[in-house]
Amino acid sequence: GESVGLHLPTLSVQEGDNSIINCAYSNSASDYFIWYKQESGKGPQFIIDIRSNMDKRQGQRVTVLLNKTVKHLSLQIAATQPGDSAVYFCAETLISGNTPLVFGKGTRLSVIA
Amino acid sequence: NAGVTQTPKFRILKIGQSMTLQCTQDMNHNYMYWYRQDPGMGLKLIYYSVGAGITDKGEVPNGYNVSRSTTEDFPLRLELAAPSQTSVYFCATGGRQPQHFGDGTRLSIL
Repeated sequence: GESVGLHLPTLSVQEGDNSIINCAYSNSASDYFIWYKQESGKGPQFIIDIRSNMDKRQGQRVTVLLNKTVKHLSLQIAATQPGDSAVYFCAETLISGNTPLVFGKGTRLSVIA
Repeated sequence: NAGVTQTPKFRILKIGQSMTLQCTQDMNHNYMYWYRQDPGMGLKLIYYSVGAGITDKGEVPNGYNVSRSTTEDFPLRLELAAPSQTSVYFCATGGRQPQHFGDGTRLSIL
C-alpha cells in the first residue's frame, strides 16, 4: 500500500550545524504534508506544514522543501540546538475530504554539544 | 489552558479486561483523534471525530470503540484487551489535521 518512509533512521549533528531530515512519500496524490517533532515521553508537536502548490516554506529556524517530481520532502533546521534532539516524523494526506494522515516511521535527531 | 489532557498516563491490563482511556481538550476544536504508536513506528489512526455526536473509523479501529457526547471529551474504549493492543495511545485535536497532542497513555496488556 501507499506509505511514507524516511531515508535515515538516525542523524547525529554537531550543535550549531544545520540539520537535514529527509522523507520519501509514495502516494503521488498526496497534496498536504506535515512535519512533527516528538520529544521523549511526549506527544508529537506540529512544526510546519506545506501544500503541494508550494516547493518551499519557512518557519522559525526551520524550512520544509517539497520536490513533487521525485516525491521527496525534507526538513531543514538551522543552527541546531540541544533542544532540537527528538524524533521527527513526516506525514502526508489529501487536503480535501477526511483522508487520515499517513505517518512515516520517524528519524531520531541527536545533537552533539 | 491545558490543551489536550489524557488519563491515565500508564496502565497495565490483563488479557480480556476492559478500560477507557480518557481525553479532554479545552481548545474548542471540533476535530479530535485517537492514535496508537508502537515502538519505533509512526502513529496510526484508530478513530476520529469531526464534532460532537459524530465518529469515524481510522486505519486500525478493530478492538476499540469511541464516543463523542461533548466537544471537550473523546474517550477510547477497549472492551477485551489483547496483547496486540500494547502500545502508546495519543489523543489529538485540531482542524482537519491534528495539531495538538496529549502526552499519551502507555498501555501494557499482559
